[in-house]
Amino acid sequence: QQPVQSPQAVILREGEDAVINCSSSKALYSVHWYRQKHGEAPVFLMILLKGGEQKGHEKISASFNEKKQQSSLYLTASQLSYSGTYFCGTEGRGGADGLTFGKGTHLIIQP
Amino acid sequence: NAGVTQTPKFQVLKTGQSMTLQCAQDMNHEYMSWYRQDPGMGLRLIHYSVGAGITDQGEVPNGYNVSRSTTEDFPLRLLSAAPSQTSVYFCASSSDGDSYNEQFFGPGTRLTVL
Repeated sequence: QQPVQSPQAVILREGEDAVINCSSSKALYSVHWYRQKHGEAPVFLMILLKGGEQKGHEKISASFNEKKQQSSLYLTASQLSYSGTYFCGTEGRGGADGLTFGKGTHLIIQP
Repeated sequence: NAGVTQTPKFQVLKTGQSMTLQCAQDMNHEYMSWYRQDPGMGLRLIHYSVGAGITDQGEVPNGYNVSRSTTEDFPLRLLSAAPSQTSVYFCASSSDGDSYNEQFFGPGTRLTVL
C-alpha cells in the first residue's frame, strides 16, 4: 500500500523553506527519500531507520516518527536546484512487500 | 562501473505483443526491483528480488513476469501487452543489508502500447 505524501505540490521563492510529509498505514522499518528531475531517474537523498539511524546527504534534514508511522523532509533556504518531484518510500517490517513509494510532491522554486 | 543499465530506452508495441525489458547491474547488488511510473501515480512496485532465484510480487504485478537467474540481471516480461501498460519503467538495485539501502535507478524505458 502506497504511503501518502502531502502536500501534492509546493511553489516557493528561492531562499524559502518547505516541509514535505509522508505517512503510512503500516508499521515501518525505514523511510527513504528521493528526488526526481523531469525526464530523469530518481536520485537518492536519505534513509531513516527505525531506532534513529540516518544515512544520506548531510545537507538534507528529515525526521521519522516510528509510533505515528510518519516522516517529514525539511528543505531550508531552498535553491533553484531543489526543484523536482520528491518521493518517499517505505519499508515494512522484515522487508515485506518491498520498498513502496508515494505519489510524490512537486516542488517548484522560483527566483 | 556502468551502474544500472536498461534496454531499450524507447519501445512501441501493438496490443497483444510480448516483449522483455532488460535490466542489468554491475555492482553485485542483491536487491533488484521493477517500478512503473505513470502521471499522478508516483512509482509503483511491480516485482522485486532479494537475490538470485528469489522473486516476489509488488503492488501491480498482473501482466508481468520476472526471473532472477543471476545476480546481475533482472528482466521484466510483458506477456500480452495492453494499452494500460503504457508507462515509464524503472529498474533499481541496492546492496544487501538489514534493510533496504540506497536504491540505484536505471535511466528508464519508455513504453507505448498501441
